Amino acid sequence: NAGVTQTPKFRILKIGQSMTLQCAQDMNHNYMYWYRQDPGMGLKLIYYSVGAGITDKGEVPNGYNVSRSTTEDFPLRLELAAPSQTSVYFCASSLRADTQYFGPGTRLTVL
Amino acid sequence: GESVGLHLPTLSVQEGDNSIINCAYSNSASDYFIWYKQESGKGPQFIIDIRSNMDKRQGQRVTVLLNKTVKHLSLQIAATQPGDSAVYFCAENSGGSNYKLTFGKGTLLTVNP
Repeated sequence: NAGVTQTPKFRILKIGQSMTLQCAQDMNHNYMYWYRQDPGMGLKLIYYSVGAGITDKGEVPNGYNVSRSTTEDFPLRLELAAPSQTSVYFCASSLRADTQYFGPGTRLTVL
Repeated sequence: GESVGLHLPTLSVQEGDNSIINCAYSNSASDYFIWYKQESGKGPQFIIDIRSNMDKRQGQRVTVLLNKTVKHLSLQIAATQPGDSAVYFCAENSGGSNYKLTFGKGTLLTVNP
């Protein structure tokens, strides 16, 4: 199993541009999550999903959107990128409401 | 608000010593706790977990202790190695239908050869 994969690894955006961060898992996990991690800080939950077709907001959802059309994929959409969205983004998945397994992250810079 | 926090932001130890990383939590409803290790440039990696009906759990070279009376969690690493150098996060799940984890800020562990 590849586990949780994320693409791209790095990206630089200009203010106002849009992009989609891809996340996929091959563990048949029901739950998937998106976090952001700012330098020297812990992880903050952006959005999460408890199954295909079901998504909900986390702690810091503003400026982001998600969709979950399949069990495997959970893309995160940034519309109108802002410098405040410069961060490292991690996707995670879990089988149940317990241990979450993380992807390698996407480092995003908005200039 | 309720949160998970760490007592020490940095910890420096000698190779071969035992390391203890501490974590305080304030949500008395939390019933599941996880320790993660995050190496530079990588995603958090699961180390060990513990449920609130236990006070100790051991893994390979790691032990997690849970003291519900004082709402304290610790991670002990035996015979610390240079490869253990990383940021360690504790996380809590407040149980029920809440699938969300609350993470602390992390402790940076540096192992000196």
